[in-house]
Amino acid sequence: DTAVSQTPKYLVTQMGNDKSIKCEQNLGHDTMYWYKQDSKKFLKIMFSYNNKELIINETVPNRFSPKSPDKAHLNLHINSLELGDSAVYFCASSQAGAEKLFFGSGTQLSVL
Amino acid sequence: DQQVKQNSPSLSVQEGRISILNCDYTNSMFDYFLWYKKYPAEGPTFLISISSIKDKNEDGRFTVFLNKSAKHLSLHIVPSQPGDSAVYFCAASPLRTSGSRLTFGEGTQLTVNP
Repeated sequence: DTAVSQTPKYLVTQMGNDKSIKCEQNLGHDTMYWYKQDSKKFLKIMFSYNNKELIINETVPNRFSPKSPDKAHLNLHINSLELGDSAVYFCASSQAGAEKLFFGSGTQLSVL
Repeated sequence: DQQVKQNSPSLSVQEGRISILNCDYTNSMFDYFLWYKKYPAEGPTFLISISSIKDKNEDGRFTVFLNKSAKHLSLHIVPSQPGDSAVYFCAASPLRTSGSRLTFGEGTQLTVNP
């Protein structure tokens, strides 16, 4: 019974394509996040949503557009993929105002 | 400007011995600190946390120590077990705001040898 699930696990695509990563949590949390783990292994916040409302957008190109149809889902759509977008993307959730995050297993995105 | 640094990319210890993972931070506004553990092909999982009003927090084999004046924290694992082999991330947050304000270190790969 996976708490935070994201799909796909691996995504290989060509430059210029548009792709989406889906995320769902069944923990009843109010807040969901997208994190990016770059080649240097740092985990950096991209977006944070609280009850479907965007609350954080950290200097992410506008080619990245999160969408939250309800508080259990936060999808990430990426337009015009670039080589530098290759990374592991993690979805996470938490209770509102809490630092204890529950992460999905990650999506390895490779842009060729 | 990396505000949370884990200067040891890897650490190898023998089973049964103590593992000590270190983390330094530069932002004096950080008030709450966490350690996450990550196995390959999985997401990070929360391990233990500490508030700046404490200098030690213990949970079973895991103890986190905080030295605010030195802006340094460490995670002690005693005794170390092979199943502890993973990447350990240190994270910090100002004033218990939320997961939106977590800053992560780059991680330390711990290998516990049988």
